[in-house]
Amino acid sequence: GIQVEQSPPDLILQEGANSTLRCNFSDSVNNLQWFHQNPWGQLINLFYIPSGTKQNGRLSATTVATERYSLLYISSSQTTDSGVYFCAPIPGSARQLTFGSGTQLTVLP
Amino acid sequence: NAGVTQTPKFQVLKTGQSMTLQCAQDMNHEYMSWYRQDPGMGLRLIHYSVGAGITDQGEVPNGYNVSRSTTEDFPLRLLSAAPSQTSVYFCASSSRTVSYEQYFGPGTRLTVT
Repeated sequence: GIQVEQSPPDLILQEGANSTLRCNFSDSVNNLQWFHQNPWGQLINLFYIPSGTKQNGRLSATTVATERYSLLYISSSQTTDSGVYFCAPIPGSARQLTFGSGTQLTVLP
Repeated sequence: NAGVTQTPKFQVLKTGQSMTLQCAQDMNHEYMSWYRQDPGMGLRLIHYSVGAGITDQGEVPNGYNVSRSTTEDFPLRLLSAAPSQTSVYFCASSSRTVSYEQYFGPGTRLTVT
């Protein structure tokens, strides 16, 4: 099956800093989702992005499907951004998400 | 719209007991799935369904049964709980026609002693 690698595994930032999270995947994908899992365990949909770039407030995502990677940008980070960020591509003609191991983000006040 | 709902939120079982985790969605989504999340890991697919009456296995199906009698509900059954099934269980749904974007429920934290 498809392999998904996320980097870095852990990231610690001061409030106000910017960051880039990366997701590499091994096969062609139909689509890709980014999620934020908050400290209470809730999974929040951030982006559904097969290709190109999308922006939502301080967050933006870019997927380059032909090169098999996606990036999540967080600007002016806030303590509420803390949690785990997961990338989950949808490979080929499948409907199932395959999750990476996530990036644990800690934003310090 | 309640979205995807799961019950119970927490459950403790003894080894060998059985139980059913409930999942319901009110978005008329055809596709529903169950994932488990172990500490420090991403989610892994247990079973999924592309519509009422149709189910299939995911990556880690052993020890779990599912059925899909209605579009709204997709229960997950543990027939004989084992400590290895201690995990957080998430249910998700998506439309087959609008987009593949999946929406997750709040999760059920299960401990098997």
